[in-house]
Amino acid sequence: DAKTTQPPSMDCAEGRAANLPCNHSTISGNEYVYWYRQIHSQGPQYIIHGLKNNETNEMASLIITEDRKSSTLILPHATLRDTAVYYCIVRSGGGAGNMLTFGGGTRLMVKP
Amino acid sequence: GAGVSQSPRYKVAKRGQDVALRCDPISGHVSLFWYQQALGQGPEFLTYFQNEAQLDKSGLPSDRFFAERPEGSVSTLKIQRTQQEDSAVYLCASSWTSGSSYEQYFGPGTRLTVT
Repeated sequence: DAKTTQPPSMDCAEGRAANLPCNHSTISGNEYVYWYRQIHSQGPQYIIHGLKNNETNEMASLIITEDRKSSTLILPHATLRDTAVYYCIVRSGGGAGNMLTFGGGTRLMVKP
Repeated sequence: GAGVSQSPRYKVAKRGQDVALRCDPISGHVSLFWYQQALGQGPEFLTYFQNEAQLDKSGLPSDRFFAERPEGSVSTLKIQRTQQEDSAVYLCASSWTSGSSYEQYFGPGTRLTVT
């Protein structure tokens, strides 16, 4: 699976949009971009995933560049409960054993 | 509905003891994964089951680690002769299928401390 690069930490003001970048320049055609987050002392939580097109759900939006070499996770109105480590993961399509390969993630601190 | 549950939530073992960690996946989920998360690090893959078959155990760090899922539902991760370096949070995740577009649902983890 392709490797991802994320900033180690970011701050965001409560109520503002949080934009979390991820570089995945070696991504191949059948690899998806996944985002998970891990709130302190909990297991990781799925947020969103995409292949080529931008995606939106009730939690967040995922913007993938046209060349697919980078993406941005957007939390439109960050709250204090969004403070967590956010992991960007590239995962190959199909086949058995599609484990998640976590990197260091971005520690997002939402401040009042 | 109920999510993935793990027990115990916390386990303290003396070096050399054997431990068994349990995972109850979401009902009907075919795939089950175990991950190990050291302090301050992201989770790392240990092993994967599809139903009762263990299809990938490439992440198990040594032959002291053993996992089973005999009836394709509950899974147990066993660590024999625990060492201090085994101290970590052990996470279990389940999903509907092994296909890439299906997300994994994680349990809260078991924090193992080896003294």
